[in-house]
Amino acid sequence: DAKTTQPNSMESNEEEPVHLPCNHSTISGTDYIHWYRQLPSQGPEYVIHGLTSNVNNRMASLAIAEDRKSSTLILHRATLRDAAVYYCILSSSYNTDKLIFGTGTRLQVFP
Amino acid sequence: GEEVAQTPKHLVRGEGQKAKLYCAPIKGHSYVFWYQQVLKNEFKFLISFQNENVFDETGMPKERFSAKCLPNSPCSLEIQATKLEDSAVYFCASSRGGYTEAFFGQGTRLTVV
Repeated sequence: DAKTTQPNSMESNEEEPVHLPCNHSTISGTDYIHWYRQLPSQGPEYVIHGLTSNVNNRMASLAIAEDRKSSTLILHRATLRDAAVYYCILSSSYNTDKLIFGTGTRLQVFP
Repeated sequence: GEEVAQTPKHLVRGEGQKAKLYCAPIKGHSYVFWYQQVLKNEFKFLISFQNENVFDETGMPKERFSAKCLPNSPCSLEIQATKLEDSAVYFCASSRGGYTEAFFGQGTRLTVV
C-alpha cells in the first residue's frame, strides 16, 4: 500500500485559509487521494477525494500536483469546528476500497 | 437510516471473555468495513464485506476475531477470548463502493481489563 506523509500538527486562526499538505511520492496511476477528518470523540468524516484534477466541494478544495506526488487540502476559511485530525489516504483500484490511514495532521484553530 | 449505527458505545470485558460489537450500515450501501483505532491516531483495517460476502479480510487476526454481515441483521464483529491489547475503539463504515465516500459510525470503545 502506498504511504502518505503529513505534518503532525498545524495551527490556524479562525476565518483564515488553511493549507494542509500531504506527500505521496510512491503513488501509482490508479491510486485515488482521499481526505477524511476525525473530530474529537467521533468517527472519521469524509472531506474530499480526487484522482488527477483539482476538486472543490462545499467543505474544501483539493489541489493535486501535476506529478501527483503531493496534494494539498485547502479549507478556505477555518472555523473552530474545523479543529480535527485530518487524514490523507490513498486507495487503489486494486485495493478493494479499504482506506489505509496514516497518522494524520492535528489542526488547531484559534479564535 | 442515514447514519451508521454502532452498538454498544462502550463495552468492558475481562481478559478471556467474549466481546460482540454490532453495526447497522446505511440502507442501500453494499460495502461494510471494520477498523480498529488503538492509539489516538492509528487506524487498522480489519475486514470488509460486499453485502453478506467477505470482500477483504487481510487485516483480521483470524485466531480470535470473526465477523458477519447477514441479510436483515446488523453486521457483527466478535472477539473470542479478549486480550488487553484488544482495547481500542472499533469503527464500522459503509459505502456504495466504487470509491464513493465511506460513512463511519461513532465507534464502540472496548476496554479489556
